[in-house]
Amino acid sequence: NAGVTQTPKFRVLKTGQSMTLLCAQDMNHEYMYWYRQDPGMGLRLIHYSVGEGTTAKGEVPDGYNVSRLKKQNFLLGLESAAPSQTSVYFCASNSGQNSGANVLTFGAGSRLTVL
Amino acid sequence: KNQVEQSPQSLIILEGKNCTLQCNYTVSPFSNLRWYKQDTGRGPVSLTIMTFSENTKSNGRYTATLDADTKQSSLHITASQLSDSASYICVVSGVSGGYNKLIFGAGTRLAVHP
Repeated sequence: NAGVTQTPKFRVLKTGQSMTLLCAQDMNHEYMYWYRQDPGMGLRLIHYSVGEGTTAKGEVPDGYNVSRLKKQNFLLGLESAAPSQTSVYFCASNSGQNSGANVLTFGAGSRLTVL
Repeated sequence: KNQVEQSPQSLIILEGKNCTLQCNYTVSPFSNLRWYKQDTGRGPVSLTIMTFSENTKSNGRYTATLDADTKQSSLHITASQLSDSASYICVVSGVSGGYNKLIFGAGTRLAVHP
């Protein structure tokens, strides 16, 4: 049981380049999320999805796009990377919104550096 | 403004000692509070969840408390082990627009030394 798998684990980009982070979960979870974690700050929600084919903006969505074409996958795209997007990105999933089910299962993270 | 503040920012203790981490929140309305443990280079993993009516909950050597009146929670670690070295994140769930919104604290980085 792999849980939540993120690829790649590390990536270095130049300003203006594009890339996609892939998140895959094998728990049949409906909800999936992308967070970024920066030093001295709590995790901040970028985008989320409440089911296949749906996406919604989180707290810090600018500069990112997402897609959820299959229930098990949630892609995070950067069309034109900026140094401010240097961060560690975490994908997470859960089965719903009620208090007992909203525990998040996180991936191991993807460290992105934009030069 | 919904906020979660954790203290201390970092902590160093010797193996076998106890410690207490603090979490103060201003999230309203409150749904629940979770403590997560994040090992270096890994994603956070849930330790415990506290709902409004719960005051104390234990998970092995970890004991979480919640005072909903003062909006404070603590995580007490007993007889610390080297493997307890990690960041501990307090996450408060509040309802906003019909959606359970999660507010993350910045975490307390704990180092347990032999």
